[in-house]
Amino acid sequence: DVKVTQSSRYLVKRTGEKVFLECVQDMDHENMFWYRQDPGLGLRLIYFSYDVKMKEKGDIPEGYSVSREKKERFSLILESASTNQTSMYLCASSLRQGAYEQYFGPGTRLTVT
Amino acid sequence: LAKTTQPISMDSYEGQEVNITCSHNNIATNDYITWYQQFPSQGPRFIIQGYKTKVTNEVASLFIPADRKSSTLSLPRVSLSDTAVYYCLVGDGRGAGTYKYIFGTGTRLKVLA
Repeated sequence: DVKVTQSSRYLVKRTGEKVFLECVQDMDHENMFWYRQDPGLGLRLIYFSYDVKMKEKGDIPEGYSVSREKKERFSLILESASTNQTSMYLCASSLRQGAYEQYFGPGTRLTVT
Repeated sequence: LAKTTQPISMDSYEGQEVNITCSHNNIATNDYITWYQQFPSQGPRFIIQGYKTKVTNEVASLFIPADRKSSTLSLPRVSLSDTAVYYCLVGDGRGAGTYKYIFGTGTRLKVLA
């Protein structure tokens, strides 16, 4: 069974703080993704990575950066958190590129006050 | 750029077959179409994927017409535990720039006793 874990289920941060969201997968998948999910807006892709040290911007990369130093780990960084980044953040991994089956973590609900 | 359209919500009774259609124009010609189920406060869970015609697994069937401009997820004999939001995922690898992952807007299925 593919397992994708995220470092926190709930996180509360203050405006201006630097925030790290960690994601780890145990299936040796090449591709990893970060999404945010907001009511009425569905799932929106922030960044994805198809290899170590490689990254591609998704639909809404502004205000975020990512890091992939090891194959199994993909980190999302909010350099200076803002209230409009309050959201559910979901990490996923996939064996192949394209709209191939993705395995999601449980999500991190981030609140920025 | 590819776009997707799904019904916002559907109601069904236990034991009935439910069909949820995702319309998607201009998707990548050589890529899969995948479907996901999401319960509240959880990450989406992969259900089924297909490339063309019909695919069936232990939980669902997926019908994709030859023009690939839509796909229909079929859930046989739904139960109360199938109450969830269902998303399609397609890709758009055409044109310059990076590959685009496009999630549908989601269909909220409510199964009634």
